[in-house]
This record gives sequence, structure tokens and C-alpha cells, in this order.
Amino acid sequence: LAKTTQPISMDSYEGQEVNITCSHNNIATNDYITWYQQFPSQGPRFIIQGYKTKVTNEVASLFIPADRKSSTLSLPRVSLSDTAVYYCLVGDMLRNQGGKLIFGQGTELSVKP
Amino acid sequence: KAGVTQTPRYLIKTRGQQVTLSCSPISGHRSVSWYQQTPGQGLQFLFEYFSETQRNKGNFPGRFSGRQFSNSRSEMNVSTLELGDSALYLCASSLEHMNTEAFFGQGTRLTVV
Repeated sequence: LAKTTQPISMDSYEGQEVNITCSHNNIATNDYITWYQQFPSQGPRFIIQGYKTKVTNEVASLFIPADRKSSTLSLPRVSLSDTAVYYCLVGDMLRNQGGKLIFGQGTELSVKP
Repeated sequence: KAGVTQTPRYLIKTRGQQVTLSCSPISGHRSVSWYQQTPGQGLQFLFEYFSETQRNKGNFPGRFSGRQFSNSRSEMNVSTLELGDSALYLCASSLEHMNTEAFFGQGTRLTVV
């Protein structure tokens, strides 16, 4: 399982776009990149998942360069309610891994008014 | 449809006691995984059950055990509780036995005194 490295914390202001970058130098061919969001005293919530190039949904965008050694979660126009911890995970989606998700330390995003 | 339900939400136990936590997955989901979250160690995988069988196990002592019933509901048991077992215990359900999108419950906050 590829190890991931993210910034421990980030600050932003309401209305700004926030980009959180995750490094995963040892990503394997079959690995997908997944991001989860967690609010205090709640379980993590799936945000977005991708394999290469760009993925966009109603919540965020995920940018993955050609070498796939990093990925960037982009949150457009954040609000105070986006204050949370964001986790980047890398894992093989095509091969059984027994539902095991490996969470790193995550990035604590603080959005200020 | 209803999300993942964990009961109880809060629990206080004494050292040496045992505890059983319950998780009801999303209807139709067959995989249930358990995680422990502490400030020091972060989110750590405990084990996963699929079709009533444990398919994967994390690096936890044998005091931590679980099971899954035919309706996919799962229970987790911790025996001979230690102070260090105080944590948020999270259950996640997925459709299948793969690293697909996992849906987490709100967790059970266990305090051992």
C-alpha cells in the first residue's frame, strides 16, 4: 500500500479556493486515489476518487498529473462548514484488500470568516 | 436510505470489563469494517467482515474481536478493557469486499476509567 504525505494543517478564508496536495511517490499501477473528509466526532465521509487526469463532482475536483506521484484536492469557494480534516488514501481498487483503508495523518483545514 | 447506524453512541466502562459495540450497515451492503480512532494514533483499521467471515485484520491484540450476522449487522467486542482502549470506534460499510466507497457511521465513543 502506497504511503501518503499531506500538509498537517492549512488555513483559508471563506470564498477562497483551497488546494490540498498529497504525495504518493510509491503509487502502484492499480492504485486509485481517494479523499475523505472528517468533522469532529463523526465518521469520515467519501469526497472523491480518481485514477488519472481530472475528476470533478458537486463537491470537489481531483487533479492527478501524468506520473500519478501526487494528487491535488481542490475545494472551490470554501465556507466555514468546510472546516474539517481531509485524508488522502491510495489503494488498489481492483484487487481484494479486505475493505482495509489506510488513513494517514490528514490535513486539518481551518476556514476563517 | 438509512445510513450506517452504530450503537451506543457513548459508553463508559471500567478497566477489566468487556464491551460490545454494534453496527448496522446500509441496506444491501455486505462488507463491514471497524476502525479505532485516537488522537495519538489516528484512524487505524481493526478488521473487516464480509459474508459473515473475517476477511482482513489489523494489528490489534486478540482482545479485539468481532462477528457478522447473516443480515450483515456486525458486532465488535473488546475484552479486559485497558485505559488505552478509550477511543472513537467507527464502523464502515461497503457494497462488496473491495476498496470501494466506504460509508462510515458516527461512531461509538468509548471511555475506559
